[in-house]
Amino acid sequence: DAKTTQPNSMESNEEEPVHLPCNHSTISGTDYIHWYRQLPSQGPEYVIHGLTSNVNNRMASLAIAEDRKSSTLILHRATLRDAAVYYCILRAVREETSGSRLTFGEGTQLTVNP
Amino acid sequence: GAVVSQHPSWVICKSGTSVKIECRSLDFQATTMFWYRQFPKQSLMLMATSNEGSKATYEQGVEKDKFLINHASLTLSTLTVTSAHPEDSSFYICSARDPQRGGYEQFFGPGTRLTVL
Repeated sequence: DAKTTQPNSMESNEEEPVHLPCNHSTISGTDYIHWYRQLPSQGPEYVIHGLTSNVNNRMASLAIAEDRKSSTLILHRATLRDAAVYYCILRAVREETSGSRLTFGEGTQLTVNP
Repeated sequence: GAVVSQHPSWVICKSGTSVKIECRSLDFQATTMFWYRQFPKQSLMLMATSNEGSKATYEQGVEKDKFLINHASLTLSTLTVTSAHPEDSSFYICSARDPQRGGYEQFFGPGTRLTVL
């Protein structure tokens, strides 16, 4: 499985944008990029995913580099409730359709300062 | 989004006893559910894939006789930790996908915190 690399931790201030980076230099052409987050003492929740084009949803935006070797999760206005561990996960297209497992890395612990 | 529940949310048991954790998909049917374990300050580690009507698939290093999985219906999977020991204390989380919603998103339960004394 292709590997992702994320910073261990990041800090931001409330109501400011946050850019969470993820490197995936060994990504294959059929790997989707998924982001999940885990709030303290809870199960993870889906944030966003994409393949090649940038994606936006109500929670965040996903910016994917042209060579796909990196991506950035963007929280446009961080709130205290966004403090969580953010996981960047690659998933092969065959896993997308078969619904197979997610492999979690260490993720980035985001701290949001009031 | 779809909802996955777990019961109990936390449990404390004595060493040597068995504990059953339930995972339910509340508003969708899930032919496949996943069980993860998470130790403090660590990431989630997949333990097994639970398949409705068939045997679970365990990850390497996970003892199938110790962690019994039963996926008896399309909305319920159970994980039984047999003869629990303090080293089994952990946060157990299940997840499932809803094929009707495209299947790309996995929905996670709130987790069950197990403490073995």
